[in-house]
Amino acid sequence: AAGVIQSPRHLIKEKRETATLKCYPIPRHDTVYWYQQGPGQDPQFLISFYEKMQSDKGSIPDRFSAQQFSDYHSELNMSSLELGDSALYFCASSLRSKGSGPVPSSYEQYFGPGTRLTVT
Amino acid sequence: AQKVTQAQTEISVVEKEDVTLDCVYETRDTTYYLFWYKQPPSGELVFLIRRNSFDEQNEISGRYSWNFQKSTSSFNFTITASQVVDSAVYFCALRRSGQGGSEKLVFGKGTKLTVNP
Repeated sequence: AAGVIQSPRHLIKEKRETATLKCYPIPRHDTVYWYQQGPGQDPQFLISFYEKMQSDKGSIPDRFSAQQFSDYHSELNMSSLELGDSALYFCASSLRSKGSGPVPSSYEQYFGPGTRLTVT
Repeated sequence: AQKVTQAQTEISVVEKEDVTLDCVYETRDTTYYLFWYKQPPSGELVFLIRRNSFDEQNEISGRYSWNFQKSTSSFNFTITASQVVDSAVYFCALRRSGQGGSEKLVFGKGTKLTVNP
């Protein structure tokens, strides 16, 4: 089965540079989530998109921006990189609930392999 | 606010031992979802299980079993007859049920399990 694709898998940048991370969701999934996992930390939610619109925003720095394109892939743009931005960045995709009734069904978030960003 | 607590930072066992990973959660929502993910040393996050708040039936999948108790807000994970390949960091996570609410996952700090031969 097709999985979430992230590119690049590894990225090394210097301070103050910019970086663009790409995420290709599982086919037919309409929701994309971005998470940041620092060394030894749990993943922290950054931002999500549903049907190409931002649906939720977490602790994402103003230096970061993201969008979801018409083909549902998403890009996370990071500018003025800092040493503290070094982390594993995960993209996850899901098919948002399309159920009906008092408690709609829901679908798991499937994670990509992650992009390991190192800022030197 | 939503919160997940995994009190065990690290656990070390010998192969074939049973091990239980604890997860306690906090939420004001009446409907929500709980998850367990495995993160092996290679770094990827592997989905293990999802449990709906309205379904307290425990589940068994091979050597894995999950005990969901709403009364104590716990969702514990047991590995029976552990193997070296089970060595990983395990995350418990919580999310709202959707319908306009945030669907982000809130993770616990994770439990690092080491299974020694």
